[in-house]
Amino acid sequence: GNSVTQMEGPVTLSEEAFLTINCTYTATGYPSLFWYVQYPGEGLQLLLKATKADDKGSNKGFEATYRKETTSFHLEKGSVQVSDSAVYFCALSYNDYKLSFGAGTTVTVRA
Amino acid sequence: EAGVVQSPRYKIIEKKQPVAFWCNPISGHNTLYWYLQNLGQGPELLIRYENEEAVDDSQLPKDRFSAERLKGVDSTLKIQPAELGDSAVYLCASSPGTSGGASTDTQYFGPGTRLTVL
Repeated sequence: GNSVTQMEGPVTLSEEAFLTINCTYTATGYPSLFWYVQYPGEGLQLLLKATKADDKGSNKGFEATYRKETTSFHLEKGSVQVSDSAVYFCALSYNDYKLSFGAGTTVTVRA
Repeated sequence: EAGVVQSPRYKIIEKKQPVAFWCNPISGHNTLYWYLQNLGQGPELLIRYENEEAVDDSQLPKDRFSAERLKGVDSTLKIQPAELGDSAVYLCASSPGTSGGASTDTQYFGPGTRLTVL
């Protein structure tokens, strides 16, 4: 079935450091790929998405590129801030509307 | 635009008691989802509605869980009786149902209801 595997955390960084969270997927066709973020005490929010191969999603300084050849959708940010501390979820959606999520990666950014 | 509203935000009950969660989706969104999120894990779909019809309830434990979406707007998820293992966060999401197809439809999540069963 369709599934997502993402990098285990927790990840602790200093402010202005570079962040990468790896995400790979398994799917029978060409799914849409998403990154959701969950800030402390809040609900899941869509961070970015890509719906076809080679698409790049971007938002709030975060980027992820849909790589069909490596079945990956790694999340990157060049310079993190304390406010980026959150749990990040990679997810995919195929023809059945169901979002299949990874386990989440907890990111803590220290001042 | 108001987001997805859920209530209550927190609920503590004794095992074997019933419990109900309520969700109001974003206005105009025809598709509504209930997800279960266990601690340290990603959400898992329980049920999906298209308007008032439950079109995917394959992951809903029907012996104790039930859901309804009367009039195709608000939805209620019920557990009766609750078990210790039901302690989790119950998330509601909605999506507009885009013409681009199922896989491109963005889901918008509510804050969730954190259930603790003692």
